[in-house]
Amino acid sequence: KAGVTQTPRYLIKTRGQQVTLSCSPISGHRSVSWYQQTPGQGLQFLFEYFSETQRNKGNFPGRFSGRQFSNSRSEMNVSTLELGDSALYLCASSQISGGSYGYTFGSGTRLTVV
Amino acid sequence: GENVEQHPSTLSVQEGDSAVIKCTYSDSASNYFPWYKQELGKRPQLIIDIRSNVGEKKDQRIAVTLNKTAKHFSLHITETQPEDSAVYFCGQGTNYQLIWGAGTKLIIKP
Repeated sequence: KAGVTQTPRYLIKTRGQQVTLSCSPISGHRSVSWYQQTPGQGLQFLFEYFSETQRNKGNFPGRFSGRQFSNSRSEMNVSTLELGDSALYLCASSQISGGSYGYTFGSGTRLTVV
Repeated sequence: GENVEQHPSTLSVQEGDSAVIKCTYSDSASNYFPWYKQELGKRPQLIIDIRSNVGEKKDQRIAVTLNKTAKHFSLHITETQPEDSAVYFCGQGTNYQLIWGAGTKLIIKP
């Protein structure tokens, strides 16, 4: 069974630009959660999507947005990039929404803003 | 609001010794407690989990214990090996969301 696939793996963008990251969950998983991880930091929750609906949202500015498609694939968009947005962005898929089942993480997209 | 406190933030143990990481939570509705291991440059991976109706679970050298009364759960690693070096995250889950601890960096000294 294929794992969680995130594309691209690496990305370099200029301050002020926007970026879109993609996440394909495990087949059959309908929940996709997104996290930001900076060096030495933990897992900062961005948002969760389930059945194309945003179920939960973390404390990030409106520049961070996401969506989920009918095939459960999800995209995350960051507009007007800032240097502080440089981080590893992880997505995780789960069979159901919420936190009662384990997550499977993708390998992440490492975003560098210059 | 709900949170989970994880201690210590860094743990250094001699190879072969045991390591214990503890998490304390506040939401009594929590029903799922996973532990994830993240090796340097890799994704977090689930290593063991426990549900609120169980007090202890073991898988070879790792075990998790849950004390619902005191609202804390712990990860125990016995006979530590170099490959155990990683950052470990605990999670506290409800039907609504999964809250993460800040992580513990485990260093295994040769």
